[in-house]
Amino acid sequence: DAMVIQNPRYQVTQFGKPVTLSCSQTLNHNVMYWYQQKSSQAPKLLFHYYDKDFNNEADTPDNFQSRRPNTSFCFLDIRSPGLGDAAMYLCATSRDSGVGSDTQYFGPGTRLTVL
Amino acid sequence: GQNIDQPTEMTATEGAIVQINCTYQTSGFNGLFWYQQHAGEAPTFLSYNVLDGLEEKGRFSSFLSRSKGYSYLLLKELQMKDSASYLCAVMDSNYQLIWGAGTKLIIKP
Repeated sequence: DAMVIQNPRYQVTQFGKPVTLSCSQTLNHNVMYWYQQKSSQAPKLLFHYYDKDFNNEADTPDNFQSRRPNTSFCFLDIRSPGLGDAAMYLCATSRDSGVGSDTQYFGPGTRLTVL
Repeated sequence: GQNIDQPTEMTATEGAIVQINCTYQTSGFNGLFWYQQHAGEAPTFLSYNVLDGLEEKGRFSSFLSRSKGYSYLLLKELQMKDSASYLCAVMDSNYQLIWGAGTKLIIKP
């Protein structure tokens, strides 16, 4: 089945220790998104890629970086995690980004705990 | 600024009907999405509306009024597994999804 996969599902890191979260997709979608979601809050868009074109949201902290080495994979790097970065990180894909009806499909998420 | 408003929490009884409202103020409109999110899991797509009116999909229906900036999600014949958060999201003129904080729906036997 075509899907969006995230690894790991649960990640524990120490304050200030770099961490990388990964996402892969078998949908062959052009667009990949990274969201941060804290409890009972709306998902917050961090970045998205249209193919290899990177789009950073204006309020995404510099502590967050992303890489998309190919169509299928996308990584979220948190260079120095703080306690406030503990959250669920959601990867999503869509076929296109300029079409209103284009649905975003989400992976299962990675829950990050910062000790 | 852009804004999506939904009730924080609602409670309903198994077998009943519930309506979850969403109002929005966005810069442009390219459609409205409803997603279901169970606790600790990712959002899953439920419906998309871009024209006024009601879209029915099994037990779930979604309504849109663009002139009022208003949508609702109607859930019929509620089941315990429908206990989840329901997120409303609007695609703005830049094709960015603007998300609401979600409505937590609690189903009681």
